[in-house]
Amino acid sequence: GAGVSQSPSNKVTEKGKDVELRCDPISGHTALYWYRQRLGQGLEFLIYFQGNSAPDKSGLPSDRFSAERTGESVSTLTIQRTQQEDSAVYLCASSSPPAAVYEQYFGPGTRLTVT
Amino acid sequence: EDQVTQSPEALRLQEGESSSLNCSYTVSGLRGLFWYRQDPGKGPEFLFTLYSAGEEKEKERLKATLTKKESFLHITAPKPEDSATYLCAVRNWNTGNQFYFGTGTSLTVIP
Repeated sequence: GAGVSQSPSNKVTEKGKDVELRCDPISGHTALYWYRQRLGQGLEFLIYFQGNSAPDKSGLPSDRFSAERTGESVSTLTIQRTQQEDSAVYLCASSSPPAAVYEQYFGPGTRLTVT
Repeated sequence: EDQVTQSPEALRLQEGESSSLNCSYTVSGLRGLFWYRQDPGKGPEFLFTLYSAGEEKEKERLKATLTKKESFLHITAPKPEDSATYLCAVRNWNTGNQFYFGTGTSLTVIP
């Protein structure tokens, strides 16, 4: 079946502009994660959605970052007033967590470059 | 604070030369240790989940093992197509939703 898709694949924006990144999870997956991957660094947790529960926003680095999810489908990550340090690959992952199994399936990522 | 350290940062092997990658972790209440493979320009691909010390899992030329302090990813007789970055991540019972990732080991297998 179809995997996790993300759009755009690449985004170049000027400092101070807002950007919106999109994630389409695997159908039926109730859990959705956003991560940031800076060059040479590990994945950094940003936010987690699980069904209709309140999202876990504990990883968002500043109030310029926000994310929404429509039911158990599409999610958007919005970065306002982008800064050069926001340049990174933003990865989305989804999973279907029965019991203790949390195997995440990742999308290809959106490479964001802030000039 | 939960930490995940992977070593070595980079590893070059001749085709057929077996080796191991290390993932050392410090976590309060391990809820799972995960291995992923990441190819350039792509998202990580799930490989294994390990939950308790002594557990082992295998997939083709890869075998993952877990102790109370570290995990090893053993690669037996690697092929060039095994070249990728291998990522380790942990989850704990206290911060349930967060996965803590290491920085990865970049593996290159030379024909």
